[in-house]
Order: sequence, then structure tokens, then C-alpha cells
Amino acid sequence: EVQLVESGGGLVKPGGSLRLSCAASGFTFSSYSMNWVRQAPGKGLEWVSSISSSSSYIYYADSVKGRFTISRDNAKNSLYLQMNSLRAEDTAVYYCARGGYSGYDFPSYYMDVWGKGTTVTVSS
Amino acid sequence: QSALTQPASVSGSPGQSITISCTGTSSDVGGYNYVSWYQQHPGKAPKLMIYDVSNRPSGVSNRFSGSKSGNTASLTISGLQAEDEADYYCSSYTSSSNWVFGGGTKLTVL
Repeated sequence: EVQLVESGGGLVKPGGSLRLSCAASGFTFSSYSMNWVRQAPGKGLEWVSSISSSSSYIYYADSVKGRFTISRDNAKNSLYLQMNSLRAEDTAVYYCARGGYSGYDFPSYYMDVWGKGTTVTVSS
Repeated sequence: QSALTQPASVSGSPGQSITISCTGTSSDVGGYNYVSWYQQHPGKAPKLMIYDVSNRPSGVSNRFSGSKSGNTASLTISGLQAEDEADYYCSSYTSSSNWVFGGGTKLTVL
């Protein structure tokens, strides 16, 4: 069964840091691009970051650029999101999502498998 | 990058058809055939319903269809069923090598 499981969320003070992880199983992780998407309480989806299968291409939303870093470890079938200088507006459920298979090393244009999400709360 | 524009809500009776629009610009929806649609039930993760404007993933009912004209994409659900009641989000690749979502549309099945 194809599965994505996020972890690492929690309560953190403004200005603090947090590292999210996403454990993948049931598919060849190294063949797929991966993404982070977040959803603030009662709000819509917001794309955060994407990484290609071999990490050659990495993109960030302007709202997190310079503060967040996406990375992956294909040997461990894991995706990460290092979040620094956190702000109240970063409070959200963070979803890990697999990019649709494309066969080439570039982030896919859609997300076909999603994890259940992990909650990040930034508050003093 | 501004969010794509979707109606806040739509409704329909069981058996009817509804269409949800998603309006962007020539830098996103109009410039690429890379529009996707996601269904999200309350408290659940999003689910891919349509990709590349009009393609349906395996397992998604053929009652769901997608199209695009100019800067506006559309999701049509025919033969509405109670379980279709959910939030729907469109998404598009952009010329800035970013991805943008719509604000979401709440579908109510009357």
C-alpha cells in the first residue's frame, strides 16, 4: 500500500525552529518528486515547496523562501522540511504529497498521494 | 503569486450536475495544461480527482470531468451524490516554477 506518514509537528514559539519528516512506503521513493502543502485552520491549501526525485530541482513559495528548507534522503525513503524563523502565520496542518510519476527529474505538475498531515502551531 | 479564483460555494441536488470554475491568468491556468483538482472532506487529506486539465486518475469516478478555456478551468460533477459533498480545490503550475491553489469551493448536496 502506498503510504506517506508525516511527523515532527508541535507547538513552537515565534522565531523558533521545527523539522518535519515524511516517511514513504509502498513505492519507489527515489523515482518521484515530493511536495509540502499546508493548510491554516479554516483556510485553503497553500503550496509550500517541491523537490525533484534526485533533489536537482527545488522550489519554494515566496512566503517561506529563506526560512524553510526542503530535503530528501532516498536511501531512507524520507522527505524533510526544516522550518526556521517561524511566525504565527505558519500555523497550519502540513501535508506531504507525492508528485505524479513523470519519468524525468523535475517536480510533477500534480500531487497524487497525500499523507494525513502533521500540525504545526506557532504561538507564544 | 495570487491564489486562483474559485466560487466560495456551489450546491446541487442529487442526480444533478454542477460546475466549479477556477480562474487564473496567462501565467498559470492559461499558460499551461497543468491544472489539477482535489477533493477534501472535513478533517481529511486532499484527494486528487483530475490532473493535466482533464485526466482522471485510476479509481476516480467518471462522473468527474475537467476542462479549460483560456484562463479558466472547470470541474464538472455529474449525477451528484451525497458523498460528493466536500471542498474542492484547483491548482496550477505557474511561470515562476511555483504551484498555486485556488481558494477552494464548498460543494453542498441538497
